[in-house]
Amino acid sequence: DVKVTQSSRYLVKRTGEKVFLECVQDMDHENMFWYRQDPGLGLRLIYFSYDVKMKEKGDIPEGYSVSREKKERFSLILESASTNQTSMYLCASSPRIGGELFFGEGSRLTVL
Amino acid sequence: AQSVTQLGSHVSVSEGALVLLRCNYSSSVPPYLFWYVQYPNQGLQLLLKYTSAATLVKGINGFEAEFKKSETSFHLTKPSAHMSDAAEYFCAVILSGDYKLSFGAGTTVTVRA
Repeated sequence: DVKVTQSSRYLVKRTGEKVFLECVQDMDHENMFWYRQDPGLGLRLIYFSYDVKMKEKGDIPEGYSVSREKKERFSLILESASTNQTSMYLCASSPRIGGELFFGEGSRLTVL
Repeated sequence: AQSVTQLGSHVSVSEGALVLLRCNYSSSVPPYLFWYVQYPNQGLQLLLKYTSAATLVKGINGFEAEFKKSETSFHLTKPSAHMSDAAEYFCAVILSGDYKLSFGAGTTVTVRA
């Protein structure tokens, strides 16, 4: 069965802390994505990776960075967390551009 | 510019009634279109997708959607709502020449007994 696993379901961090959100997929997919989900705004793309060590900015990359050292793992990094980054973060993978996205269960981050 | 618009952030239906969720996209070239569902405390899963084959697309759990180019719409329907259909539904689009999936704001469905 297809599986995208996000390491933490719930996190609470303080303003200024560095935050790592990890995502692992077991489907050998080329493409991986990080989205942010906020009520009334739907999902907004933060970053996208189409290959190992390759990344592209999405619609809202400010305040975030990503790392993809291995094909199966895509990490989202908040260098200095701020309260406006409190949100649900969803990781997804896809075998090809234009294909179905497979989502993890999400990581709910609260920044105090 | 908004790529996809979902009309109505909340829809309430009686069990057994028709479910109709509206989605319009902004593109002159037919895109790839998707409907996803998110149950409470879960990630999103694909309900159905349109990729320029048939204009009426059948998905899981009895849902279907019709692509209408003249109306730039891709509305989602289910003839008879079930309590288990209570969830948030997202319309999404990949525009021609683009690589990313753009999502609508979502519609929350509640089902009354």
